[in-house]
Amino acid sequence: GEDVEQSLFLSVREGDSSVINCTYTDSSSTYLYWYKQEPGAGLQLLTYIFSNMDMKQDQRLTVLLNKKDKHLSLRIADTQTGDSAIYFCAVNTNAGKSTFGDGTTLTVKP
Amino acid sequence: GAVVSQHPSRVICKSGTSVKIECRSLDFQATTMFWYRQFPKQSLMLMATSNEGSKATYEQGVEKDKFLINHASLTLSTLTVTSAHPEDSSFYICSARTIGGAVEQYFGPGTRLTVT
Repeated sequence: GEDVEQSLFLSVREGDSSVINCTYTDSSSTYLYWYKQEPGAGLQLLTYIFSNMDMKQDQRLTVLLNKKDKHLSLRIADTQTGDSAIYFCAVNTNAGKSTFGDGTTLTVKP
Repeated sequence: GAVVSQHPSRVICKSGTSVKIECRSLDFQATTMFWYRQFPKQSLMLMATSNEGSKATYEQGVEKDKFLINHASLTLSTLTVTSAHPEDSSFYICSARTIGGAVEQYFGPGTRLTVT
């Protein structure tokens, strides 16, 4: 089955850019997602990208997809303390059924 | 935007009892809902896919007789944890996909279950 991996922790200073990386194994993946989870809460969909795209930008968020290397990244520009959370990468091969990575805990220091 | 609610948000029950968790899509219809389980500091594990009007599809290793799923309408799915044990304590999250929607899942806020 699909395997999705992320680094577990990232720490940045307020105002810097954050880059969270994700790798996956199934080359037939069609949709790739980034979710944000704050403590004790459910998941918030931040953005997604189709597998036929290389990049998607949405305000402070930039998603890059390298299909050849099966590598997905999320860049958060001008990171704020409110961005501190766990970020999950998720990958679909069948629409609606996602495999999640273990999550990257982003800590933003003032 | 699409909103999914869960009830209750927290529940404490005694070992051996059953607990029902509701997942509702508030402003859209969902033919498909998903139930996930999340352990502390871990990722989401898909338990089952719930389709309106039909039996749920369970992932490998998930006991269907223990985790009963009912998707009675296009806006409601329920998960019943039967004969709960302390190891069932976890954060249960549902998500819903809109009719005809192939891309976006909307997640509920989760239910924290503690079995004593």
